[in-house]
Amino acid sequence: AQSVTQLDSQVPVFEEAPVELRCNYSSSVSVYLFWYVQYPNQGLQLLLKYLSGSTLVESINGFEAEFNKSQTSFHLRKPSVHISDTAEYFCAVSSNFGNEKLTFGTGTRLTIIP
Amino acid sequence: KAGVTQTPRYLIKTRGQQVTLSCSPISGHRSVSWYQQTPGQGLQFLFEYFSETQRNKGNFPGRFSGRQFSNSRSEMNVSTLELGDSALYLCASREKGPYGYTFGSGTRLTVV
Repeated sequence: AQSVTQLDSQVPVFEEAPVELRCNYSSSVSVYLFWYVQYPNQGLQLLLKYLSGSTLVESINGFEAEFNKSQTSFHLRKPSVHISDTAEYFCAVSSNFGNEKLTFGTGTRLTIIP
Repeated sequence: KAGVTQTPRYLIKTRGQQVTLSCSPISGHRSVSWYQQTPGQGLQFLFEYFSETQRNKGNFPGRFSGRQFSNSRSEMNVSTLELGDSALYLCASREKGPYGYTFGSGTRLTVV
């Protein structure tokens, strides 16, 4: 079984400042890792994913995340945030064989302060 | 490519009633999963279907059931609704393999 911990339920950040949203996971097997974003009254959108290979993965809108196996972490970062980044961000994990259901963290609400 | 379509978007039901929610996956996606999202419990896995077979089931009571049709469209049913069933129900589809799920906009169910 897997579990995901998102340490910060809310993160306020000034516009154009950097941000890091923390995610730690626990699993007895190898995993795939995902970050999803949810805007108000919408479903989840896949932001980026780590499957294998390079531990640094990037999204098209400037976010990046780094898989750290020794620290069982997959933190999400952006060097300069915009008002449009205001949303809730969910880290998720699935095993990389067999049961591939997603196990989600509790989410981090990112608020951008103008 | 059209995205994952869930209908209806909003639903209000009375305790004790039953409800059926519908999900049309992205064309070509044969796997459909359902998740329940509530403020208290967060996102919880309900079940996954692949080629009309339930492959995996979460820890929900038997009142929650689902099925998948030959065209990959899926429905979930909740019988004998309780107030605690009020939630956003999200459907997600994916191609075979670890490519990540594509979620629909969800059905917001309110039980009164």
